[in-house]
Amino acid sequence: EPEVTQTPSHQVTQMGQEVILRCVPISNHLYFYWYRQILGQKVEFLVSFYNNEISEKSEIFDDQFSVERPDGSNFTLKIRSTKLEDSAMYFCASTSSTGASGANVLTFGAGSRLTVL
Amino acid sequence: RKEVEQDPGPFNVPEGATVAFNCTYSNSASQSFFWYRQDCRKEPKLLMSVYSSGNEDGRFTAQLNRASQYISLLIRDSKLSDSATYLCVVNIGYGQNFVFGPGTRLSVLP
Repeated sequence: EPEVTQTPSHQVTQMGQEVILRCVPISNHLYFYWYRQILGQKVEFLVSFYNNEISEKSEIFDDQFSVERPDGSNFTLKIRSTKLEDSAMYFCASTSSTGASGANVLTFGAGSRLTVL
Repeated sequence: RKEVEQDPGPFNVPEGATVAFNCTYSNSASQSFFWYRQDCRKEPKLLMSVYSSGNEDGRFTAQLNRASQYISLLIRDSKLSDSATYLCVVNIGYGQNFVFGPGTRLSVLP
């Protein structure tokens, strides 16, 4: 079964450092997403990406965050200068766009746990 | 008003019980509706999509009421393995944000 893969599974960093989280979405999917989940809290939308540009972003996704699709497979989330409150699980997800029934379903990767010290 | 609201839980039920979860959403333009399941420290996984006509998958039944902006999930004959957090998810359309409810935690007890 096709899957979304994420690396690293866990990253520990010092406050103020830059972090890049990587994702390989499902190969025939066209819409890509980043979500985050602070421990014990709800899943929160960060950004969606389509056709090599951001299609929607939340208030959380401020100037410290950026996304990129540097090649045909990877989709990255960069946090320029991490804060303690950035500690969370970051989930990458993707959907297809065929319009077929059941196509608009969000498939998640296993997540990257970020710990900021 | 929050975009997607769910029963706060937790629900603690014995094996074999029937349990129902409720969800309401605020955006009347919402097009797609889902129930996801999330185990502790894992990613959300699709349990089922929810259709206007209602749909059933084994022990799970989902209902959608667009007029009331209400979604439900019924689990019959609960198993220990059903213990998880159940997330109600709503989407406006392709490429748009999927909005997650806060989740309802279910513990099925032996």
